[in-house]
Amino acid sequence: DTAVSQTPKYLVTQMGNDKSIKCEQNLGHDTMYWYKQDSKKFLKIMFSYNNKELIINETVPNRFSPKSPDKAHLNLHINSLELGDSAVYFCASSAGLAGAYEQYFGPGTRLTVT
Amino acid sequence: GNSVTQMEGPVTLSEEAFLTINCTYTATGYPSLFWYVQYPGEGLQLLLKATKADDKGSNKGFEATYRKETTSFHLEKGSVQVSDSAVYFCALSDSMGAQKLVFGQGTRLTINP
Repeated sequence: DTAVSQTPKYLVTQMGNDKSIKCEQNLGHDTMYWYKQDSKKFLKIMFSYNNKELIINETVPNRFSPKSPDKAHLNLHINSLELGDSAVYFCASSAGLAGAYEQYFGPGTRLTVT
Repeated sequence: GNSVTQMEGPVTLSEEAFLTINCTYTATGYPSLFWYVQYPGEGLQLLLKATKADDKGSNKGFEATYRKETTSFHLEKGSVQVSDSAVYFCALSDSMGAQKLVFGQGTRLTINP
């Protein structure tokens, strides 16, 4: 059983398109996250949700909109894709907000914008 | 703000060599410290963690000690294997506020047989 799953694994699209990435966790966790990993492997948090409520929004462009329909799902919708959006996007979850909780990561979605 | 600095990579070693990957941090309060590992084509996995000063995290032969006086959390392993080849990330989590993970830039490790 995959703990944190993401779809799709690869996404190739053209500039200006709108796309979504889906994330699901079966760990019963309350908190979910989206991270962006650039071509140099640098990882930065984008959003976090706790019990479907937005907790962290790290100055991400408005073109990115997370949606949490329930505690097990956190989807990422991106409007008007730009070349600079090309990256690997990771979803993660944890049992709570407290800093000591381990985060469990999905396998990543490699987004390529042409 | 909080930040994490790791030693520059890539690091290439021979099998059975001793490994150290340096990590220092800047943070207010008392953060928790982590090492995550990313194997090729996969997501990150927690390798070890320490939640307070002088704690030692250990797993799979890797160790790191939370040193508040030097604000460091260096990763060590006495004898590396080819299967340890991966990218290693040092990270900290705020003890207050939104408690997000802040990552270092990652260190790519390659172990040659």
